[in-house]
Amino acid sequence: SQELEQSPQSLIVQEGKNLTINCTSSKTLYGLYWYKQKYGEGLIFLMMLQKGGEEKSHEKITAKLDEKKQQSSLHITASQPSHAGIYLCGAAPAGTASKLTFGTGTRLQVTL
Amino acid sequence: KAGVTQTPRYLIKTRGQQVTLSCSPISGHRSVSWYQQTPGQGLQFLFEYFSETQRNKGNFPGRFSGRQFSNSRSEMNVSTLELGDSALYLCASSLRDREISYNEQFFGPGTRLTVL
Repeated sequence: SQELEQSPQSLIVQEGKNLTINCTSSKTLYGLYWYKQKYGEGLIFLMMLQKGGEEKSHEKITAKLDEKKQQSSLHITASQPSHAGIYLCGAAPAGTASKLTFGTGTRLQVTL
Repeated sequence: KAGVTQTPRYLIKTRGQQVTLSCSPISGHRSVSWYQQTPGQGLQFLFEYFSETQRNKGNFPGRFSGRQFSNSRSEMNVSTLELGDSALYLCASSLRDREISYNEQFFGPGTRLTVL
């Protein structure tokens, strides 16, 4: 079965600083999803990547999928308190697009 | 367009009881997946329904079951509740217009189930 490892597990950054969260898979990634979750709430869809080398951006968040399709990174530029939460990467295995395996999450705190 | 809705949002049950959770997908979405989230195990896939048929199933006991109706709304049932079933249950919907397609998946706010 596919395993996803996220690093770091937690992160405290000062407002305005940049940060990167990594997601490494034990197998090839066919569909890689990034979500944000506020404690105890549902997941907010951020981005989905499929192709090796693909990069997508939304506002101040950029996600990349490396060429070998076994690692993805999420980069936040000029962090804001609204970015605080738990970031989760989810992977869809080949042929079963809706059966996502999730990483353990990265808890982000943004201090003023 | 309305998002994924789940009812109820909170539920308290006792061991041995059964519970039914409901999920209404985004209009036009035909695939509904269910996940269980606990502090110890994280987010785990339960099952997926597409056009009223179960398409994928995770590694959960038979006490966990589900169904999907013709309007794509889905229900999940847990029988003979155990303390370990306390969790946040999330459902996600996607278009899934082809058998193998990596569509965006949108999650609902979840149902927080507490088993006493």
